[in-house]
Amino acid sequence: QVQLVESGGGLVKPRGSLRLSCVASGFSFRNYYMSWIRQAPGKGLEWVSYITSLGETKYYADSVKGRFTISRDNAKNSLYLQMNDLRVDDTGVYYCARGGDDYGDSWGQGTLVTVSS
Amino acid sequence: IVMTQSPATLSVSPGERATLSCRASQSVRSNLAWYQQKPGQAPRLLIYEASARATGIPARFSGSGSGTEFTLTISGLQSEDSAVYYCQQYNKWPTFGPGTRLEIK
Repeated sequence: QVQLVESGGGLVKPRGSLRLSCVASGFSFRNYYMSWIRQAPGKGLEWVSYITSLGETKYYADSVKGRFTISRDNAKNSLYLQMNDLRVDDTGVYYCARGGDDYGDSWGQGTLVTVSS
Repeated sequence: IVMTQSPATLSVSPGERATLSCRASQSVRSNLAWYQQKPGQAPRLLIYEASARATGIPARFSGSGSGTEFTLTISGLQSEDSAVYYCQQYNKWPTFGPGTRLEIK
């Protein structure tokens, strides 16, 4: 079955950096767009970024453009999110999801990012 | 595209039917999905393309609508259906509604 496992979250100070990872299994990773979606504590969902199946094109929400970079390594069945210049309002659970310019049909359990001084 | 959902909270008895609404600020055609999220869990895809059930989703979950008005109907409510339900459009950059909290009395 499809499994997505995120890691890399933690506590970081404002303006700091963090790199999230997501390891996929149970499907042909290289054939799918992949996304990062976040949820602030007690709040709704925000699509952060997605990447095409071969990694040739990347898309970002305006709120993270220029600060976050999505990437993937199809040989390792892995998706990444490099987050720089983090802000307090970047705090939340970050989910890895299968899918990109449509819907997320499978989601990981999420990893918590806390930006605080 | 801004998504709105109503009501914010809905309380329904077991066995009854729940009707959740979602509205888009402009037409999204049928490019709409519904998710269920229980406390401490990731969202789960229920419906895509406005009315197609995702794999493994029971037939008592149904979606309808197109353009700017959409509905998620849950029939024969069970206690396990207590959750927050989100709609999401993907006609342009994906955006979610604020969610409807469904409580089972």
